[in-house]
Amino acid sequence: AQSVTQPDIHITVSEGASLELRCNYSYGATPYLFWYVQSPGQGLQLLLKYFSGDTLVQGIKGFEAEFKRSQSSFNLRKPSVHWSDAAEYFCAAKTSYDKVIFGPGTSLSVIP
Amino acid sequence: KAGVTQTPRYLIKTRGQQVTLSCSPISGHRSVSWYQQTPGQGLQFLFEYFSETQRNKGNFPGRFSGRQFSNSRSEMNVSTLELGDSALYLCASSLGDRGGTDTQYFGPGTRLTVL
Repeated sequence: AQSVTQPDIHITVSEGASLELRCNYSYGATPYLFWYVQSPGQGLQLLLKYFSGDTLVQGIKGFEAEFKRSQSSFNLRKPSVHWSDAAEYFCAAKTSYDKVIFGPGTSLSVIP
Repeated sequence: KAGVTQTPRYLIKTRGQQVTLSCSPISGHRSVSWYQQTPGQGLQFLFEYFSETQRNKGNFPGRFSGRQFSNSRSEMNVSTLELGDSALYLCASSLGDRGGTDTQYFGPGTRLTVL
């Protein structure tokens, strides 16, 4: 069955430190991949997406993600975290003609 | 361009009642998807509507239903509310292209509390 996993339920980092959030997918073929961020009580905001081409994708708010086919991964990174980045992060995937599947989410806390 | 809007933002109902939530997609978007988000189950797909037709459906009981109007606005209805229906209900709109590169944009959600 198709699935998206995010191994880390919760991550805490210090402000200014680098960040990497992990995402793995299980699909028969390479899906289209997305990262969303959700602040408390809010909807999801699209950070970036990967469809094809360059495996390093740039997004908003200084985030980037790298697609690695060999590892079935699409990890999200940011070189220097700001306190306002504290939120829930969701990785998602879809293929043509199918619905979007979301991972369980990773909650990010930022220590001042 | 205005984003996805959902009304109302908050609702309190009692068990056994029914509720209707509304979603207005981004102008030009023809697909509307609904999700239920709870702390225990995460984001769960309810259904997707495209051009007034249900195109995809998740694994929810028949108490959950939806529809889409000719202007692409969508409503979802939950009948005979249960305590477990308390959740954040999110609506997402997209162009609706089936090629796979379709991207969903989310509204702020409706927080439903069932007492």
